[in-house]
Amino acid sequence: SYELTQPPSVSVSPGQTASITCSGDKLGDKYACWYQQKPGQSPVVVIYQDYKRPSGIPERFSGSNSGNTATLTISGTQAMDEAEYYCQAWDSSTRNVVFGGGTKLTVL
Amino acid sequence: EVQLVESGGGLVKPGGSLRLSCTASGFTFSSYSMNWVRQAPGRGLEWVSSISSSGTYIYYVDSLKGRFTISRDNAKNSLFLQMNSLRAEDTALYYCARGSGAVAATAEYFQDWGQGTLVTVSS
Repeated sequence: SYELTQPPSVSVSPGQTASITCSGDKLGDKYACWYQQKPGQSPVVVIYQDYKRPSGIPERFSGSNSGNTATLTISGTQAMDEAEYYCQAWDSSTRNVVFGGGTKLTVL
Repeated sequence: EVQLVESGGGLVKPGGSLRLSCTASGFTFSSYSMNWVRQAPGRGLEWVSSISSSGTYIYYVDSLKGRFTISRDNAKNSLFLQMNSLRAEDTALYYCARGSGAVAATAEYFQDWGQGTLVTVSS
């Protein structure tokens, strides 16, 4: 089965740039998206189709996807961005949605 | 405003059954695929199942095939998940999520989520 791998945790100082990676075999050939989940809340999509931002998502959130790695970048990270982030892709061979294990972003 | 409201969760003994429901509003329900995603306590997200807008295409995570059944009633804007032969490892918060198109496919993502309904499997 297809797997997506994320680092368990990433730390960043306020105002700095945070990068969260998501690795999978030939992930660049698929579309990747990213969800933000804060404690006690439902997930919210922050990036879809590799780099697109839904309305209402701040411009500091951006995404890229190439080769085996998709990356979520948060520029000028704010305390409110502290959350768990999940990547997700569609595996056409199994017709399954696949999530990464999640990355806890800490804003120190 | 899009709203997805799940119900039907609760405490059930191992081997028991539950039927989850999700009532949708604020969008044309019959135009979108719908999904169930679960999250065990303190764990990550796990996709469970997807059903296309018309109900024609249905997909499940391999580990659950045969025990869970997804269905929908477009006339009632409702999504369902019948869960049988429940196990302790099925304990989780079950989310209903709207897909990005009529059928789960390459560009699939979940644009709206409900608040979830908690399923606890314990004797």
